Amino acid sequence: AQSVAQPEDQVNVAEGNPLTVKCTYSVSGNPYLFWYVQYPNRGLQFLLKYITGDNLVKGSYGFEAEFNKSQTSFHLKKPSALVSDSALYFCAVRPPTSGTYKYIFGTGTRLKVLA
Amino acid sequence: DTAVSQTPKYLVTQMGNDKSIKCEQNLGHDTMYWYKQDSKKFLKIMFSYNNKELIINETVPNRFSPKSPDKAHLNLHINSLELGDSAVYFCASSQPGQGAYEQYFGPGTRLTVT
Repeated sequence: AQSVAQPEDQVNVAEGNPLTVKCTYSVSGNPYLFWYVQYPNRGLQFLLKYITGDNLVKGSYGFEAEFNKSQTSFHLKKPSALVSDSALYFCAVRPPTSGTYKYIFGTGTRLKVLA
Repeated sequence: DTAVSQTPKYLVTQMGNDKSIKCEQNLGHDTMYWYKQDSKKFLKIMFSYNNKELIINETVPNRFSPKSPDKAHLNLHINSLELGDSAVYFCASSQPGQGAYEQYFGPGTRLTVT
């Protein structure tokens, strides 16, 4: 079955330190990969995506993600965390054969940046 | 200018009632979605329409009925509400046909069934 895993329910990091939020997927073929952020009582906001090309993609608010095909991972990173980055982060995958445009979401990782 | 809007933002109702949630997008997208986010924040797709045609219909009770009067609007009607329907419902849109693929989400509708 196709799936997306975010192995950490919560990630704590000190302000100014680098952060990583992990995502692995189990999808055949070359999927499209996404990261979204959700602030309290808000909808999800698109951060970045990997469709094709360079494995390192840059997105909003200084975030970046690295696509690793051999490890089927798409980890979200930021060199220096801010307290305002504290939020819920979702990884999502669209299988390449999904003619119905169906997206599979991970269970979310809560990022807490400590001052 | 709000890209994806939903009304109402909050909805409190009693078991057995019928209610509707409305969604509108002004992005010109062809594809719209309804998602349910439960109390653990898990996000589950319910329905998707592409240019007014239903293309995704997940395992959802038939008490839930989506309607798309035009490609900018996707409404969700729920009959005979149950306690377990309490959740946050998100509308989203995307334009995969033009290679954009990412989804734009509305602010959510928090439904509480008492």
